Amino acid sequence: NAGVTQTPKFRILKIGQSMTLQCTQDMNHNYMYWYRQDPGMGLKLIYYSVGAGITDKGEVPNGYNVSRSTTEDFPLRLELAAPSQTSVYFCASSYAPQLNQPQHFGDGTRLSIL
Amino acid sequence: AQRVTQPEKLLSVFKGAPVELKCNYSYSGSPELFWYVQYSRQRLQLLLRHISRESIKGFTADLNKGETSFHLKKPFAQEEDSAMYYCAPPISGGGTSYGKLTFGQGTILTVHP
Repeated sequence: NAGVTQTPKFRILKIGQSMTLQCTQDMNHNYMYWYRQDPGMGLKLIYYSVGAGITDKGEVPNGYNVSRSTTEDFPLRLELAAPSQTSVYFCASSYAPQLNQPQHFGDGTRLSIL
Repeated sequence: AQRVTQPEKLLSVFKGAPVELKCNYSYSGSPELFWYVQYSRQRLQLLLRHISRESIKGFTADLNKGETSFHLKKPFAQEEDSAMYYCAPPISGGGTSYGKLTFGQGTILTVHP
């Protein structure tokens, strides 16, 4: 069972470069999330989506963009990479958070900006 | 601002000993809190939910609104409980309708044989 799949697993970027972190899920979940986790810290919500075509900001959205053209995919875009964006990025999805259904997480993408 | 604190980064106990992982939060309203766990080489996954009043793998968590705490407890720890544990309340003002969570910094539990 694939669940939530994130690519790539690791990436090194130079300052100012751009990249897209991919996230796809095969569980037909409407709700999807992007988190970042800095060293020694908890996960912080970057953006979330409640369905195809609908996205909204989380706690730390600056420097990122998202799109949700399909139910399955929720890519995260970094336009101008900065050292402060060095982090581990997690994508998650949920069937019905309003019913306290769990979030299902991917393996994460470890991103370093040098 | 929404805050969640797990004061212990590391917690070590011996097999069979009781264990308590602490979580304190600041939140206006009635939060629905969660504990997530990440075992070695596995993905982050839900352990238990406050609203369900459930016991999962012997773990329970009581919400103490007066102390604003949601500590995770198990009376007899097992070696397979060794993992990273995260307390996760909803983002202040977000409720649970969209599942917008914030996570504490986590506690690494090690259960020694």
